[in-house]
Amino acid sequence: GNSVTQMEGPVTLSEEAFLTINCTYTATGYPSLFWYVQYPGEGLQLLLKATKADDKGSNKGFEATYRKETTSFHLEKGSVQVSDSAVYFCALSASATGTASKLTFGTGTRLQVTL
Amino acid sequence: DAGITQSPRHKVTETGTPVTLRCHQTENHRYMYWYRQDPGHGLRLIHYSYGVKDTDKGEVSDGYSVSRSKTEDFLLTLESATSSQTSVYFCAISALDNSPLHFGNGTRLTVT
Repeated sequence: GNSVTQMEGPVTLSEEAFLTINCTYTATGYPSLFWYVQYPGEGLQLLLKATKADDKGSNKGFEATYRKETTSFHLEKGSVQVSDSAVYFCALSASATGTASKLTFGTGTRLQVTL
Repeated sequence: DAGITQSPRHKVTETGTPVTLRCHQTENHRYMYWYRQDPGHGLRLIHYSYGVKDTDKGEVSDGYSVSRSKTEDFLLTLESATSSQTSVYFCAISALDNSPLHFGNGTRLTVT
């Protein structure tokens, strides 16, 4: 079956540090890949996505590249801010065209950024 | 926000009682989903709907049922709540197949 593995957290960084959160996946076919972010007390928000190999998703300074050869979709940001403190979820969708987007999520990685 | 309202936001109930959670959307999206979020498990799909009266099971559907009588409403029912169903429940919607999900703010359910 499909699965997503994320690095364990929490990740604690100083402001302006470089961020990498690792994500690897197992899936049949050619899944779409997503990163979602969850701020305290809120639901998940889509951060970025990639739908095919070598695609790079980007948003708000975050980037992730769909690497089919290593089955990875690592999240990166060059300079984090305190406002980036949240829980980050990697997810995949291997649903066939014309069907619901049944996402498989990783367990989430908590990021805490300090001054 | 994508026009998703979950109610109630918080609920405490006793083991063995029935509980219904409601998800209401104003986006007229076709697909609706119920997930539960638990530490160490991320989010897991309970049930989903692909249209009025059209629903199917997710990976953790035991002990849950759903109904969708109108496009805008998707109800999740715990027929007889158990302590293992203590969780945060999220509703999500999507417009097209394989499109990103938009999530509500969740319902925190505690079963004592």
